[in-house]
Amino acid sequence: GAVVSQHPSWVICKSGTSVKIECRSLDFQATTMFWYRQFPKQSLMLMATSNEGSKATYEQGVEKDKFLINHASLTLSTLTVTSAHPEDSSFYICSASLFGGKLFFGSGTQLSVL
Amino acid sequence: DAKTTQPTSMDCAEGRAANLPCNHSTISGNEYVYWYRQIHSQGPQYIIHGLKNNETNEMASLIITEDRKSSTLILPHATLRDTAVYYCIVGRTQGGSEKLVFGKGTKLTVNP
Repeated sequence: GAVVSQHPSWVICKSGTSVKIECRSLDFQATTMFWYRQFPKQSLMLMATSNEGSKATYEQGVEKDKFLINHASLTLSTLTVTSAHPEDSSFYICSASLFGGKLFFGSGTQLSVL
Repeated sequence: DAKTTQPTSMDCAEGRAANLPCNHSTISGNEYVYWYRQIHSQGPQYIIHGLKNNETNEMASLIITEDRKSSTLILPHATLRDTAVYYCIVGRTQGGSEKLVFGKGTKLTVNP
């Protein structure tokens, strides 16, 4: 099946620094990718839809200046958490659609902000 | 998008069939039913999806009622590795930009 690679798997950073997470579709082109956030024992919360070559669409309540999304190619989308704070600590997951509603997910990135 | 209702948790004996129900009474005619599962600390995994006909693949079967207001995911011979949170999601396919919103899902525990 299609593979979505997400990197890094985990990252620890100091408060105030920025962290970049990469999401790659390895064997298919994805015009659209999605970014989710998940807190412990909670469900996935959709943050934004990443569109290749255009601006991302953010869900209500998600700060676009805080979570910068870049989708510069058909196989790569990046999420940058700017000026991270402890409350940004979470599990971040990306996904891409190959066809239909079948989404393929990355393995996730656990972000811990000290 | 239509909302789904699932039991919070279920238990199943290893080797037996696991039947996971989902209610989606407000589903509209062009919305599909999708099932994903998430094993602890991993990204979700696609299982199966359908519109109105029953579907089967190597992982599971999906039974959708005739009125499409509910469905059941069947894992025919559950194993310990099937322990996960199972999400039933309703959504449209929009030419590749399928935005799926996850609910709370069902925590399935397969016991030896």
